[in-house]
Amino acid sequence: SQQGEEDPQALSIQEGENATMNCSYKTSINNLQWYRQNSGRGLVHLILIRSNEREKHSGRLRVTLDTSKKSSSLLITASRAADTASYFCATDARNTGFQKLVFGTGTRLLVSP
Amino acid sequence: DTGVSQNPRHKITKRGQNVTFRCDPISEHNRLYWYRQTLGQGPEFLTYFQNEAQLEKSRLLSDRFSAERPKGSFSTLEIQRTEQGDSAMYLCASSLGTSGTIVAPHEQFFGPGTRLTVL
Repeated sequence: SQQGEEDPQALSIQEGENATMNCSYKTSINNLQWYRQNSGRGLVHLILIRSNEREKHSGRLRVTLDTSKKSSSLLITASRAADTASYFCATDARNTGFQKLVFGTGTRLLVSP
Repeated sequence: DTGVSQNPRHKITKRGQNVTFRCDPISEHNRLYWYRQTLGQGPEFLTYFQNEAQLEKSRLLSDRFSAERPKGSFSTLEIQRTEQGDSAMYLCASSLGTSGTIVAPHEQFFGPGTRLTVL
């Protein structure tokens, strides 16, 4: 079953605008990761944030994590048409003994030129 | 290309037939995972191998499903007596292992997936 939900389910913006996606999860985690999936293809890892971190940056990406609220957000700044994809958060639950990823339902981002 | 590869990329089969998918992980990765993704949903974990040992299986993996990783390198996922509900994208991922009991958050590298359509 899915770990949680992402909000919004779909987002449509213009190039140059910022895109913010939110993820909520249910159980205690070791870390949270964000992945991108282009239509009908495999997933590409974007960024990982550990449970003891609150914010992380990578290029145009900014991720926040609030473990008290069991939520995370992904901000893509200065979006480009090439950012059009589905974005998933994935959590790595504590005490599983291995890295079993539990994915959210995803946000479909459309960036128009 | 040194990434994760999966074959075939697409498979169309009739209900009741058996199908087998193959995954070739990144060569130095000793952990291998299978996920299933249905339309509009995120991937769901199916099973996990460390080297050749299958260490975890999801309840989603009914007895019609079997996965192997005979030499700790490539893996196969077989579905017997396919049903229309098996139609999905089957994703394979691999990652570096850890030593001892400390779990480190290693990135999982995903293959392009095999899209199964059961008619």
